[in-house]
Amino acid sequence: GEDVEQSLFLSVREGDSSVINCTYTDSSSTYLYWYKQEPGAGLQLLTYIFSNMDMKQDQRLTVLLNKKDKHLSLRIADTQTGDSAIYFCAVTRESNYQLIWGAGTKLIIKP
Amino acid sequence: DGGITQSPKYLFRKEGQNVTLSCEQNLNHDAMYWYRQDPGQGLRLIYYSQIVNDFQKGDIAEGYSVSREKKESFPLTVTSAQKNPTAFYLCASSINYGYTFGSGTRLTVV
Repeated sequence: GEDVEQSLFLSVREGDSSVINCTYTDSSSTYLYWYKQEPGAGLQLLTYIFSNMDMKQDQRLTVLLNKKDKHLSLRIADTQTGDSAIYFCAVTRESNYQLIWGAGTKLIIKP
Repeated sequence: DGGITQSPKYLFRKEGQNVTLSCEQNLNHDAMYWYRQDPGQGLRLIYYSQIVNDFQKGDIAEGYSVSREKKESFPLTVTSAQKNPTAFYLCASSINYGYTFGSGTRLTVV
């Protein structure tokens, strides 16, 4: 069935770039999203990309999409302590207009 | 300001009880969703509704029930049939593919 996979943890030093990766199986997914969840809170949309794009940049965030390999990544430049959160990848399931979610990657910032 | 409000933030349930989680939105979104979040897992869809008076089961609907009598409201009832209800519950609404989430309700069985 459809699946979205992410590593559960990523540890980076403050000031470095963070790269969070996601692979998915549904090649028909039209929209691909990155959401951020801080402790005890709901999810906040960070950015999204259409399947006909291969890159999108928004300030410190860069999304790369390799549609052939079904691989999505989120790069956070100059990682700050406020970036510490769980980052979820989600892709659309076209058959019923729902989202398929990854398990989330917890980003840990080292001083 | 438009948004989604979930209440309560924390909820405790005794074994055998039904409890209802509230979700209200003033974004004028047609579609609303309930997700369950467990540690180390992605969001799992419980129920969703794309229009008033209509809703569909998601991937893990057993032991849950919903209603959608008003566009703004999509309450979730966790019934006694749900054997492992302790989790973080998230409500969302959407227009096209733009999802907005509430801040969640943490349900604990005591």
